Amino acid sequence: GAVVSQHPSRVICKSGTSVKIECRSLDFQATTMFWYRQFPKQSLMLMATSNEGSKATYEQGVEKDKFLINHASLTLSTLTVTSAHPEDSSFYICSAVTGTSPSDTQYFGPGTRLTVL
Amino acid sequence: RKEVEQDPGPFNVPEGATVAFNCTYSNSASQSFFWYRQDCRKEPKLLMSVYSSGNEDGRFTAQLNRASQYISLLIRDSKLSDSATYLCVVTNVQRDSNYQLIWGAGTKLIIKP
Repeated sequence: GAVVSQHPSRVICKSGTSVKIECRSLDFQATTMFWYRQFPKQSLMLMATSNEGSKATYEQGVEKDKFLINHASLTLSTLTVTSAHPEDSSFYICSAVTGTSPSDTQYFGPGTRLTVL
Repeated sequence: RKEVEQDPGPFNVPEGATVAFNCTYSNSASQSFFWYRQDCRKEPKLLMSVYSSGNEDGRFTAQLNRASQYISLLIRDSKLSDSATYLCVVTNVQRDSNYQLIWGAGTKLIIKP
């Protein structure tokens, strides 16, 4: 199956710093990438939908100025958590799809565990 | 009412038993349906897409009932390795033709020897 990588897998940072997470589709071109956040013992929460070359679409309640998403190519999307605070500590997961059909399979990255001290 | 609802769980089931998960969705126009499994501290992995005619993959059977707006997943002869959280996903197409993925909260399954 298709492979999606994320980097870094784990990051610990001080409050107030910014953290960039990369999501790459390794063997396919991803027209759309999704960014999720998951708090312990909770389900995935979609943060934003990112299409290559256009602005990301953010879900209600997600601050676009705090969670900057860039999808510069068909194989790379980045999520930058700006001025991170302890409440931003979470498991961030990206996924990618190859097409535009609702039935397309999502391929998930392995996730990035962010801990803000 | 949540857009996608699942059994709250957890399910504690002896090895070899049959387990059934149910998921209901509120949007009658929803188009695509999936079951994912997620192991602790890992990313979700696609288990099965769910088709109108129902589909089976080994010990796993998925069914869709559009009239009642629910999806089910049946696991037969459960194994210890089936222990995970099972997530129901529904896809809705929005007005701008983009689609929206709605995730259920998941049901945790614990298989006991």
